[in-house]
Amino acid sequence: DGGITQSPKYLFRKEGQNVTLSCEQNLNHDAMYWYRQDPGQGLRLIYYSQIVNDFQKGDIAEGYSVSREKKESFPLTVTSAQKNPTAFYLCASSIQVGSLNQPQHFGDGTRLSIL
Amino acid sequence: EDQVTQSPEALRLQEGESSSLNCSYTVSGLRGLFWYRQDPGKGPEFLFTLYSAGEEKEKERLKATLTKKESFLHITAPKPEDSATYLCAVPILTGGGNKLTFGTGTQLKVEL
Repeated sequence: DGGITQSPKYLFRKEGQNVTLSCEQNLNHDAMYWYRQDPGQGLRLIYYSQIVNDFQKGDIAEGYSVSREKKESFPLTVTSAQKNPTAFYLCASSIQVGSLNQPQHFGDGTRLSIL
Repeated sequence: EDQVTQSPEALRLQEGESSSLNCSYTVSGLRGLFWYRQDPGKGPEFLFTLYSAGEEKEKERLKATLTKKESFLHITAPKPEDSATYLCAVPILTGGGNKLTFGTGTQLKVEL
């Protein structure tokens, strides 16, 4: 079945540690996205990528980094510079960024907590 | 400022008790609206896309409608399995293309 796979489902970070969240899609979508979800807030865009080897900052990119070396993969690194990393992280993909009639499809998320 | 507001924040219904969820938006130029369903600990699941005022879409007990200022998600004779958080999202034009702005959601609980 086509879809988006995020791993791990749960992740714990120690102080000063960088952690990487995995996102893989087999939908052949060009665009991929990372969101952060906190209680009582809407999804907030961290980074997005329209094409391999290219990505743009979203609304809350500070303390995060991404790469897009393959069309299928868009890993997110939460760096030690992100002082409040505890959240539910969601990866999404769509046929292309800016395509008005194509929705984004989401993975099942990674919950990151601080040890 | 472009904004998406959902109401109510939470809604509790008895099984079979129909109701509506609201999504209002202030954006310069309607470019469509998406509805999603999110179960606890899961990612949002796409439900509907609406493009123009007056448009309606239906799926089982759900019907989404769109006006120039807001969208409604009508739930007819809901069942406990309809319990979830319902999110709406609107494309906002930015320098990097259209990006989705999400509302904070309506948490629906349907009881027997």
